[in-house]
Amino acid sequence: EDKVVQSPLSLVVHEGDTVTLNCSYEVTNFRSLLWYKQEKKAPTFLFMLTSSGIEKKSGRLSSILDKKELSSILNITATQTGDSAIYLCAVPSTGANNLFFGTGTRLTVIP
Amino acid sequence: DAGITQSPRYKITETGRQVTLMCHQTWSHSYMFWYRQDLGHGLRLIYYSAAADITDKGEVPDGYVVSRSKTENFPLTLESATRSQTSVYFCASSGQVGYGYTFGSGTRLTVV
Repeated sequence: EDKVVQSPLSLVVHEGDTVTLNCSYEVTNFRSLLWYKQEKKAPTFLFMLTSSGIEKKSGRLSSILDKKELSSILNITATQTGDSAIYLCAVPSTGANNLFFGTGTRLTVIP
Repeated sequence: DAGITQSPRYKITETGRQVTLMCHQTWSHSYMFWYRQDLGHGLRLIYYSAAADITDKGEVPDGYVVSRSKTENFPLTLESATRSQTSVYFCASSGQVGYGYTFGSGTRLTVV
């Protein structure tokens, strides 16, 4: 059975802090891992990772995949209040054409 | 308008009533999906479709029906709404298997 576990479930930090969000997965025939950010409405795509050890970056956000450890981390440096959101990790489901999501990490950034 | 749109944005209905949530995309994406999002459960797949007239069950399909007669539309029907179906429903589409989705803005459904 496919499994995606994210930690921590929630996190409160102050502006300027650096945070690391974790995602571990169990899926047969791994193809990719995706990160999404969800503010008040729909999740929006951040990164897709397919190769181990290669960092993807977008501004203050970066992510890396470790296929040996079946995990990924999402780093956010110099956090801002606009980073407050739920961060979702997902993998394509085994034998099906859909994404299987973790329950997410709720990040709150305090001014 | 280009993109993926859901309607209605908000809906309150009574137990036992039939409700249909609409989803429309303009990209001609092959894949379309319906998820529900509940506290503590994250996003759970209800149904998905790989093409017009091809649909399949996801993780939580009971009490829901879908159809896809046209590529661009993927309506979700609650045949007889129950309070446990109170949730936020997201439709999504994708052009390729295993790649990222684009989500609609969601429908917040309350069953009273």
